[in-house]
This record gives sequence, C-alpha cells and structure tokens, in this order.
Amino acid sequence: IVMTQSPDSLAVSLGERATINCRSSQSVLYSSDNKNYLAWYQQKPGQPPKLLIYWASARESGVPDRFSGSGSGTDFTLTISSLQAEDVAVYYCQQYYSKPPYTFGQGTKLEIK
Amino acid sequence: EVQLVESGGGLVRPGGSLRLSCAASGFTFRNYWMSWVRQAPGKGLEWVANIKHDAAEKYYLDSVKGRFTISRDNAKNSLYLQMNSLRAEDTAMYYCARERRFYMDVWGKGTTVIVS
Repeated sequence: IVMTQSPDSLAVSLGERATINCRSSQSVLYSSDNKNYLAWYQQKPGQPPKLLIYWASARESGVPDRFSGSGSGTDFTLTISSLQAEDVAVYYCQQYYSKPPYTFGQGTKLEIK
Repeated sequence: EVQLVESGGGLVRPGGSLRLSCAASGFTFRNYWMSWVRQAPGKGLEWVANIKHDAAEKYYLDSVKGRFTISRDNAKNSLYLQMNSLRAEDTAMYYCARERRFYMDVWGKGTTVIVS
C-alpha cells in the first residue's frame, strides 16, 4: 500500500489551523472491526518519531487536544487547530492494514509562517 | 518508565555486517510485537522488519530479505537486528519500536549505521 501525503511542506501562522492530508493507494478500513488502520506521527529535529493518532482518529495519551485525525477508507487528515511554536516538525502517516511491510507517507514539513 | 535503548551502530564497509541491539525496560517485553524502522539521512521513515512476541512470525522489507535477520530474547528483554551484506543504501538511523496493535507507540532514540 502506497501512502501519499500532501503538501510536502506547509507554513502556517501561530494560532492558525494546519491541515495535512494522507491518501492510501487502497482502503485501510478493515470491515470486520470497522477501524481504519492508520496512524500519525510527529518527528521533531534530532528526535525519534512520536505517536500522535491511531485508528485514524484516536488521540494518544498525553497528546494535546489541538491535534485531531479524521477520514476513512483512503483519505485522511491530520489537523492542528491552533498552531503552537512547539508543533514545528515533520508529520508522517502510516498504514498498518496489511501484513507487513507497513508503509509511511513521505512526510510533511510544518513550519511557522 | 517505558524505554527502548538501541546500540551496535557504527561505520562498516560495503559487504560487511553489524548486529544492532535494543534493550527494553518498563514494560512486559514478551507481550509485544517489536519493529525496526530506519531513516536515511534527510529522508523519511522506512519500516524494516518486525517480530511477533513469541518470535513465531517475522516479516521483512523486500530490500533486506535474505540479508537482515530480526530476533529477540524475551528473557533478556532484548531485540536484535543482524545485518549482513550491507550496502550504501542501508545507511540510516535505525530505530527500535514497540508495536501496540500494529502501530508503533514507543520508540528508542536510534543508532546510526553508516556503510561506506
């Protein structure tokens, strides 16, 4: 499954909304449990990735509620409702629908405008 | 505290071998699938391999099949990646990650492998 993110980079003003899109080459919605097998990660410079969202919309414990995930099937969105300076990072989507290999999107670099 | 600490990276010639290790602590290691994920310099994330909690199932990225072997020692709370026949394109930061229902919820800080 190929994961494609858009845009590749994004500059947003502090306090504004940031939206990152992710599209899968085939559906990652598993019919037996009605779950979308998609996660979002944040990677800040010099740090390992950090899990933000799983099952497309479930927020990981400790993640601020300004981060939200939505979408189903093949089209997904990560939204940061009010951008903070500490949100500057590269964001990746990942599908875990199929047996491995798991695949990631190419990443979206988020900067402050 | 849940923690993963990788080690074993370094500089190696093409065709050479390295064995990466990942020491887990703060959770019941034997209950989890574990993965290796790599990131080439300035590039994105690439899943490499994973292993079931009892080592009964292992999966690999096509480009490393036959060259890399993932293993684990649940008694030692450790994950390993034996890398043989290394190529320049294997140069990357290698992360150990815990899987929770197939997504990766805990990551180590990584160990650097340079093939040159």
